[in-house]
Order: sequence, then C-alpha cells, then structure tokens
Amino acid sequence: GDSVTQMEGPVTLSEEAFLTINCTYTATGYPSLFWYVQYPGEGLQLLLKATKADDKGSNKGFEATYRKETTSFHLEKGSVQVSDSAVYFCALSDNQGGKLIFGQGTELSVKP
Amino acid sequence: GAVVSQHPSRVICKSGTSVKIECRSLDFQATTMFWYRQFPKQSLMLMATSNEGSKATYEQGVEKDKFLINHASLTLSTLTVTSAHPEDSSFYICSARQPPGQGDGYTFGSGTRLTVV
Repeated sequence: GDSVTQMEGPVTLSEEAFLTINCTYTATGYPSLFWYVQYPGEGLQLLLKATKADDKGSNKGFEATYRKETTSFHLEKGSVQVSDSAVYFCALSDNQGGKLIFGQGTELSVKP
Repeated sequence: GAVVSQHPSRVICKSGTSVKIECRSLDFQATTMFWYRQFPKQSLMLMATSNEGSKATYEQGVEKDKFLINHASLTLSTLTVTSAHPEDSSFYICSARQPPGQGDGYTFGSGTRLTVV
C-alpha cells in the first residue's frame, strides 16, 4: 500500500541555520503531497502542498518540490527561526478514497 | 479560510464510561471527514473515514463497536469512545475534506486530549 517515510528526529538547529527534512513516498498512481506542521498540543496546519510532478509548494519561507523520479518531497527552509520549532509531517493523499497517509513526523527544535 | 471546530479540547472520564467528540466544519460542507488517533511523539493513525449519510469505513484493527462514528449532516461528525479504558487515552484529531471547487484540501480540528482514569 501507499506509504510515506520521513527522516527521524529530533532535529536541533541554531537560529538562521538551513533546514532540510527528507521525505520519500511509495504510491500507485499520482498522489498529491503535503507538509503539515503541528505545534505542541494543537492540531495540524497545512504548510504547503504540491499536486503534480515538478510542482513546488512554498509558504512562510518553506518550500518543497514534488520529484517523481526520486519519489521525494523534501522540505527546506533557508533560515529557520525559534518559532519554527514544531513537529513536521509529510503526507500524501491517495486520490481514491481521499484519505491522507502520514509519515512518522520529524520534531524540529530551533535554539536561539 | 476553511475552519474545523473540534470539541472538547480536553476530557477526563472514568473507566467504563463513554465520551463523545464532535467535529464541525464551520464554513463549508464536508461530505467526508476523517478521524485520527495520535500517540505521544508519534504519527497520526487513521482510524476511520466518515461519509455523510452512510456508514463509516474503519481501518484494519480499529474496533467499530468501540469507536462509534456518526456523520449525520454535512457539517458534523461525531466520534464516541464507548466503555473507555485507560489504554484509550490518546489525542484524537478530526479532519474534513473540502469539496472540489472549494479548495479540495484537508482542514484539521485542534484535537481532543482524552484521559481515561
């Protein structure tokens, strides 16, 4: 079945460092890909998405490119802030039943 | 933007009692809603897909009789944890899918922290 694999956390960075969180997927067909962010004790917020190959999703300085050839959707940000500390989830939608399938989440901690 | 309201945000109940969690789409009609369970520092596990006016579709390993899902209207789905036990303590999150033409995205509720004592 469809699945998503993320790099394990926690990831600890200093403020203004470059961030990469790797995400790869396995799917039949052509899924849509998403990054969600979860702050402590809260639900999930959509960070960005891409619906087809070579699309680049971007928001709040974060970006990710849908790479069909490598089945990847890595999240990047050029300069992280303390306020970016959260758990990040990569996900895909199977475009059949419409359900989202999540990776295991990557905790990011940004130190001043 | 699309908003999903989930209530309550926290609940503590005694073992053996039932708890109902509500998920409402406030500004759009959601024919499909999803219920997830999240253990500490872990990912979201899809429990079931709730379709308005029909029976929910449960994921493998999820007990239908224990986690009752009702999606009686286009804006409300409920999850009832029946005869709750301490092992049911978890963070439950609902999600509603916006219809095509209204974004076709997924909006999440803020979650319910259930503690069974």
